[in-house]
Amino acid sequence: GQNIDQPTEMTATEGAIVQINCTYQTSGFNGLFWYQQHAGEAPTFLSYNVLDGLEEKGRFSSFLSRSKGYSYLLLKELQMKDSASYLCAVRDSNYQLIWGAGTKLIIKP
Amino acid sequence: NAGVTQTPKFRVLKTGQSMTLLCAQDMNHEYMYWYRQDPGMGLRLIHYSVGEGTTAKGEVPDGYNVSRLKKQNFLLGLESAAPSQTSVYFCASSYTTYKRREVYNEQFFGPGTRLTVL
Repeated sequence: GQNIDQPTEMTATEGAIVQINCTYQTSGFNGLFWYQQHAGEAPTFLSYNVLDGLEEKGRFSSFLSRSKGYSYLLLKELQMKDSASYLCAVRDSNYQLIWGAGTKLIIKP
Repeated sequence: NAGVTQTPKFRVLKTGQSMTLLCAQDMNHEYMYWYRQDPGMGLRLIHYSVGEGTTAKGEVPDGYNVSRLKKQNFLLGLESAAPSQTSVYFCASSYTTYKRREVYNEQFFGPGTRLTVL
């Protein structure tokens, strides 16, 4: 079967750095996406990795290791508005997205 | 541009009733998707479309039907609603481009429809 694993919930302090991990087992791999979803809202795109390595976009970075079936999302200089769920999704051999259940990130002052 | 819009935003149905959820996008995207999102679970694909007049089943298609008569619209129908269909439904659309010679198609989501079936 196909499986995406993420921690259910994480807590961090405003101004700090947090790393959200995602491991996957899918039938094929054609890219990995990270989305942000605030409570009661739609997911919005954060980052995309298809090759091994780090992709940086402002305060957010995403890393991929295809051989390990592993990715992480790194959030720096945390702000209160970063309190949200972070969804990891892998595109499989059929080019369909398989979604993790999401990690709820709680930011404390 | 409005992006992806969904109607209605909220709905309460009784078991056995039918309804149609409407999704519209103004970005000229080829691909459209219907997902459901339940607590503690990832988004699950119900049906999708790769172009006008085409539809295909996703991971959880039973109890739902779809139609894509126009490129900008994607309709999701529930013929006989059941309590198990209580969920938040998201529509999404995407286009295909290439990033570092790899297929890249970011999905854009609508605001969601919160459906309760009693």
